[in-house]
Amino acid sequence: DAGVIQSPRHEVTEMGQEVTLRCKPISGHNSLFWYRQTMMRGLELLIYFNNNVPIDDSGMPEDRFSAKMPNASFSTLKIQPSEPRDSAVYFCASSLGHVNTFGSGTRLTVV
Amino acid sequence: AQSVTQLDSHVSVSEGTPVLLRCNYSSSYSPSLFWYVQHPNKGLQLLLKYTSAATLVKGINGFEAEFKKSETSFHLTKPSAHMSDAAEYFCVVSEGGSSNTGKLIFGQGTTLQVKP
Repeated sequence: DAGVIQSPRHEVTEMGQEVTLRCKPISGHNSLFWYRQTMMRGLELLIYFNNNVPIDDSGMPEDRFSAKMPNASFSTLKIQPSEPRDSAVYFCASSLGHVNTFGSGTRLTVV
Repeated sequence: AQSVTQLDSHVSVSEGTPVLLRCNYSSSYSPSLFWYVQHPNKGLQLLLKYTSAATLVKGINGFEAEFKKSETSFHLTKPSAHMSDAAEYFCVVSEGGSSNTGKLIFGQGTTLQVKP
């Protein structure tokens, strides 16, 4: 198994632009998680899906952030419009039960 | 509600000496506990997990952790540190019970420095 695949690995964008981060979970996993990691706030859970349905989005910072999971093998996290304070590493993870397997992350820089 | 507290934000050891990274948890019911490691500019890797089986859990790279319910602790240890162990370590508790969806609650992390 190739593990959790995230793309792009790095993204640099200008303030105000739309950013879309992508994630392919491990086949057979039924939960998917989006995390954000910054020096100031550590690892934060943004949203998670169970069987493609959003269960808890209380960690999504504001309306500029949205996430979708149209099928069991794909999810997106979109930021529109992006702001410099959104600069962070965004991780996707998937699980079947307890253990989360993480992707390598997307390092987002908004200038 | 579940939570984890990592008692040290930074630990420094010499190569070849023991490692101890401390973690306390709070949980309404029998928790599932994990340690993850993150090397610089990398994703998170599972070191070990406790899911109500043996209280002494062995993980990868010579790490182990002991679940102590009376102390609500899950400290991570390794007998002899290696330079490659330098990384960020996260103690994690899983939302468990009947609502087990794999949702994790992370500690703030402990940076392990290994000196030659």
